[in-house]
This record gives sequence, C-alpha cells and structure tokens, in this order.
Amino acid sequence: GAGVSQSPSNKVTEKGKDVELRCDPISGHTALYWYRQSLGQGLEFLIYFQGNSAPDKSGLPSDRFSAERTGGSVSTLTIQRTQQEDSAVYLCASSSGITGAQGDGYTFGSGTRLTVV
Amino acid sequence: GQNIDQPTEMTATEGAIVQINCTYQTSGFNGLFWYQQHAGEAPTFLSYNVLDGLEEKGRFSSFLSRSKGYSYLLLKELQMKDSASYLCAVRDDSRGSTLGRLYFGRGTQLTVWP
Repeated sequence: GAGVSQSPSNKVTEKGKDVELRCDPISGHTALYWYRQSLGQGLEFLIYFQGNSAPDKSGLPSDRFSAERTGGSVSTLTIQRTQQEDSAVYLCASSSGITGAQGDGYTFGSGTRLTVV
Repeated sequence: GQNIDQPTEMTATEGAIVQINCTYQTSGFNGLFWYQQHAGEAPTFLSYNVLDGLEEKGRFSSFLSRSKGYSYLLLKELQMKDSASYLCAVRDDSRGSTLGRLYFGRGTQLTVWP
C-alpha cells in the first residue's frame, strides 16, 4: 500500500484478555519494527523483522508479548493476559532495507492506542 | 550503547527561530534523523544527515558534526502548527546492533506561542 496501515486504531480491553494488533507495511519494505510509546514518553523498541524472521526481539518486555510476520508483509503483535501497564500507543514502522537518499529511515503507521481497564 | 540526549521542552513565539540540540554516543554511526510528532499522531520524517554540515529544507534545517556527536534542528519563521514533539534518532550499524534500527531520543516538546 501507499503507507503503513495499523489496525485497530483504538482498542479498549479488560485486564487479562488477549489482544492482537496488526501492521501492514509499505509494499516491498523488507524491514518492519514495532515500538510502543507511553503518554509523554519516548519510543520504546519492541521487535524488528527482516522478512519473516525476527533477528532482534530484545525489546519485548515479557513473554506475554509475541509477534509474527507472514509473507514478508503483514505483522501481528499479540499481547496475552493484558495488564494495565500495557496501555500505550503501539507504533509500527517499515523501511526498505536499502540505504538511499534518505538513509532508509522509517515510515510510521498511525498507531494503535491500547487501553487496558 | 546509544545515548541520545535532547532537551525535554522548549518554547518560542510565532515568527521566531528556534534551535533544538541533540547529542549522541554511538560506535557505529550511520546517519541521524529528525522526526516531527504532533500530539496523537505518528512521527513523520523531517530530515536526514550522514555527512557533516547543514542540510536545508525550506523553513527547516538540520546540522551534523560527527566528531562532536552533535546535531541540531533549526526551525525558522515559526508557526503555530510547528508546536509538536521533535525526535532525534540515530542509526547504529555497529557490530551487535540491529542493522538499520533507529535509536530514538525522548523527544523535545516545542510550544509556539502567538
């Protein structure tokens, strides 16, 4: 697609429920990143995909968090047994994986605002 | 590791010039990015520097000194719509880092007053 799409844009869930967040990157972008941003805070790295593999999962905060990517395209971030501290905006970004005039910076999606009540 | 430091908040008046500084420490520097993020929205790309010097793009300019680990974003002729958070990010391609990953500062919240 023309941009990075994320769904849902907003999600309110009860504590203890599982949630799935979806990211559809720019067509042809091989690199995909998940970040989260709590209110007034910076971007916290979660996981990085190159194609369908995840060489860097170092930012996942606990084993309740997992992510997958299929067909080198869509990625899903799953949070099991959600807790209130999981409330944040979850941002997805993609890049071409090829350094170019813009140094292969990120294009971000609009994010999913997750609220755990 | 990557230590990226920028001021938390800045204020300025419409029509003025403001400079947002960013310092960083990284062993495998391969580019510095500035992003703008309005409240409730995704960050959007503003500028990219990989060589020393000034890159100008309309009202916005970005400067880089690799030897000093320093960059600034210069915003001229400020407008109310420039009120946003400005994120400095560094690409680190050193051994042991994730290729292509950007490391972000915490952002500088700029408020432009009329």
